[in-house]
Amino acid sequence: SQKIEQNSEALNIQEGKTATLTCNYTNYSPAYLQWYRQDPGRGPVFLLLIRENEKEKRKERLKVTFDTTLKQSLFHITASQPADSATYLCALAATDSWGKFQFGAGTQVVVTP
Amino acid sequence: GAGVSQSPSNKVTEKGKDVELRCDPISGHTALYWYRQSLGQGLEFLIYFQGNSAPDKSGLPSDRFSAERTGGSVSTLTIQRTQQEDSAVYLCASSPGGLGNTEAFFGQGTRLTVV
Repeated sequence: SQKIEQNSEALNIQEGKTATLTCNYTNYSPAYLQWYRQDPGRGPVFLLLIRENEKEKRKERLKVTFDTTLKQSLFHITASQPADSATYLCALAATDSWGKFQFGAGTQVVVTP
Repeated sequence: GAGVSQSPSNKVTEKGKDVELRCDPISGHTALYWYRQSLGQGLEFLIYFQGNSAPDKSGLPSDRFSAERTGGSVSTLTIQRTQQEDSAVYLCASSPGGLGNTEAFFGQGTRLTVV
């Protein structure tokens, strides 16, 4: 069955450091992968999308890599700030159902001053 | 409005009652999604509408759950004979549709509590 796995343990990181989150998947032929941020009591907010033929995407302090051989995406927050504290979710859509995407359980990031 | 709007924001219902949850997507968005999120869990896909195509209902957990989308805009998720395990936050999202436009915009969710 299709699975999307993210680290369930919270990532505690000091302000200014780089946070790196992992999203692994199995039994997917992915069309694209997205990363979202979710704050408590709110709906997820889109951050970045990367397609299966792309290796890397950047947006301000965010960077996403996508390795379809390893079946893994890495999400980096550089120069992290306390305001980056949130839960980060990855979502995949398969090539045979590209409009429908499944989410991982998310990883909580806590940035301390 | 500017974003996806869901109503009500909170709903408490007695076990066995039916509930209707409403979603107003962003105007012009052809794709609409329903997810649910239990406390501390990830998002569970329920149903996906794309334009005039038949919806993808593969995530609906039982036949007590149904959803419709009228006129390609507003959507209603109906849960019949609610059970306590239905308690969760129900999230709606919409997107412009198309392979290059799949960023989804989420509403704030409806928190459903079945007592």
